Amino acid sequence: EVQLVESGGGLVQPGGSLGLSCAASGFTLSSYWMTWVRQAPGKGLEWVADIKPDGSEKYYVDSVKGRFTISRDNAKNSLYLQMNSLRGEDTAVYYCARRACGGATCSSSWFDPWGQGTLVTVSS
Amino acid sequence: SYELTQPPSVSVSPGQTASITCSGDKLRGKYACWYQQRPGQSPVLVIYEDTKRPSGIPERFSGSNSGNTATLTISGTQAMDEADYYCQTWDTSTGVFGTGTKVTVL
Repeated sequence: EVQLVESGGGLVQPGGSLGLSCAASGFTLSSYWMTWVRQAPGKGLEWVADIKPDGSEKYYVDSVKGRFTISRDNAKNSLYLQMNSLRGEDTAVYYCARRACGGATCSSSWFDPWGQGTLVTVSS
Repeated sequence: SYELTQPPSVSVSPGQTASITCSGDKLRGKYACWYQQRPGQSPVLVIYEDTKRPSGIPERFSGSNSGNTATLTISGTQAMDEADYYCQTWDTSTGVFGTGTKVTVL
């Protein structure tokens, strides 16, 4: 069974740091792009960051550029999100998701499956 | 930045058809997909590449994409379909989600 399990969420003060992890099982992590998506309380979904299978390309939403870093360790079947200089607006449930691609050039792609999410609360 | 707009809510009677729209500039030139999120749960993919259904998703879910609008249609809506639905596409290596639509089955 393909499964993603996030961990590392919690309460952190504004300006603080937190690292999230996502443990993958049931598939070969090194074959897939991976993604972090977040959802603020009562709000919609927001794409946060993406990373290529070999880690050589990374993309971020503008609001987290320079503060968040996505990384992966394929040998450990794990995806990570290091979050620095956290702000109140970063408060959200953070989901990791596998990004599946259509075609050799990934001209289309979608997120499936998703993990259960981990809550990050930024507050003093 | 690229935006996808959905109606905030859609109401439907059991057994009837619900249609959820997703509007974005030149969306027809991109692929759209759809996610269902039931209360307290993680999102689940229900449509990808505009019209395709993943295995395990009921046939009553279908999708289309034409012009500037992608549409998710739920035929013969059931109570279990009550959820939030989000469209999603890509714009120059950036993921973009729609604003979300709450489907209520009355």
